[in-house]
Amino acid sequence: AQTVTQSQPEMSVQEAETVTLSCTYDTSESNYYLFWYKQPPSRQMILVIRQEAYKQQNATENRFSVNFQKAAKSFSLKISDSQLGDTAMYFCAFMSSRGETSGSRLTFGEGTQLTVNP
Amino acid sequence: KAGVTQTPRYLIKTRGQQVTLSCSPISGHRSVSWYQQTPGQGLQFLFEYFSETQRNKGNFPGRFSGRQFSNSRSEMNVSTLELGDSALYLCASSLEPWPNYGYTFGSGTRLTVV
Repeated sequence: AQTVTQSQPEMSVQEAETVTLSCTYDTSESNYYLFWYKQPPSRQMILVIRQEAYKQQNATENRFSVNFQKAAKSFSLKISDSQLGDTAMYFCAFMSSRGETSGSRLTFGEGTQLTVNP
Repeated sequence: KAGVTQTPRYLIKTRGQQVTLSCSPISGHRSVSWYQQTPGQGLQFLFEYFSETQRNKGNFPGRFSGRQFSNSRSEMNVSTLELGDSALYLCASSLEPWPNYGYTFGSGTRLTVV
């Protein structure tokens, strides 16, 4: 079974600075999807960024980018120019490529609570 | 474009009762999944539905069940409620189950069992 580990339960950053959230995962598969979701106090999970394992290029979405290290099974999220609205719980998630035939499911990490300070 | 709608937002039930939660996916989305979120266990997968068929089921007891209707709306049911069922139940939808470009989640139903 796949596992996802986020070793930083809490992090804080000053507004306009850069912060990196860590995520490691364990799988024997060669192709899969990785995601970062944020969950603000409103409770709604919001997709931040998505990475396909067979693509070597790191995904980027505006101020959000990832550092995907497949061999090390590491998938960190970098937030540049942090804003107060980035304050949220951030979850790293894994989806197996077997989802095509045996059903899709996300396996989530424990989450990292990020606080952006003014 | 309306997002994923979950009703009700809050629910208080007594042990032993049963409950039904509803999820309306984004228009055009045919895949619906359910997750349970608790402080102790985190986010755990419950079910995945596509075209009214359950494609995948998580490791939950048979008291947890679900279904999907022809309009893609989904319901999940929990019978004989236990205190440990208190959680935030999140529904998520996507256009197709595969390839998955990322789910859109609803704001959840907060279930409290007393």
